[in-house]
Amino acid sequence: GQNIDQPTEMTATEGAIVQINCTYQTSGFNGLFWYQQHAGEAPTFLSYNVLDGLEEKGRFSSFLSRSKGYSYLLLKELQMKDSASYLCAVRTSGGYNKLIFGAGTRLAVHP
Amino acid sequence: GAVVSQHPSRVICKSGTSVKIECRSLDFQATTMFWYRQFPKQSLMLMATSNEGSKATYEQGVEKDKFLINHASLTLSTLTVTSAHPEDSSFYICSATTTGLLTDTQYFGPGTRLTVL
Repeated sequence: GQNIDQPTEMTATEGAIVQINCTYQTSGFNGLFWYQQHAGEAPTFLSYNVLDGLEEKGRFSSFLSRSKGYSYLLLKELQMKDSASYLCAVRTSGGYNKLIFGAGTRLAVHP
Repeated sequence: GAVVSQHPSRVICKSGTSVKIECRSLDFQATTMFWYRQFPKQSLMLMATSNEGSKATYEQGVEKDKFLINHASLTLSTLTVTSAHPEDSSFYICSATTTGLLTDTQYFGPGTRLTVL
């Protein structure tokens, strides 16, 4: 079966660093994506990992360990506008590159 | 680049009527488009995958006769919710991808909020 787990909610302080974890068990693996979604809006692409290691992109970094079925998204220098849901998604292998999404982590950044 | 649009952004309809939602890739050709449904405070659930010129592949539990998908061109896919009922009220989001784009990222449209009265 397909299973992607991430915490439901997190809170953090403006200017701080927060790490959002994601563990997965899927039938096939062809990359892991992180998306940001504000309420009532469509998801926007943040990062993509297919090999083990850390990918850094400005204030956002994403890490992948395929052997452990584990990823995290690291957000630095948090801003109020970072309050959103963060979705972990695994692209399964096979045709059409389907994405299986986790339930999302709602992050609240407070002053 | 990689902009996906959806129309309409919001629609309210009466129970029993049909609603058509359009998904367009504006600046690239989308070989594959995906349709998702998202209920409040829940994640995206894939409904179906469509490829231009062929029949859509539906996920388990999604009624293909109720949710009609047409991918007539490389830039347009439509989802028609037939005989809509209040339980079909949801946020419908499409995404598009093409092998020509780096990492084959799925780019999402802005979503369509459907309310069935």
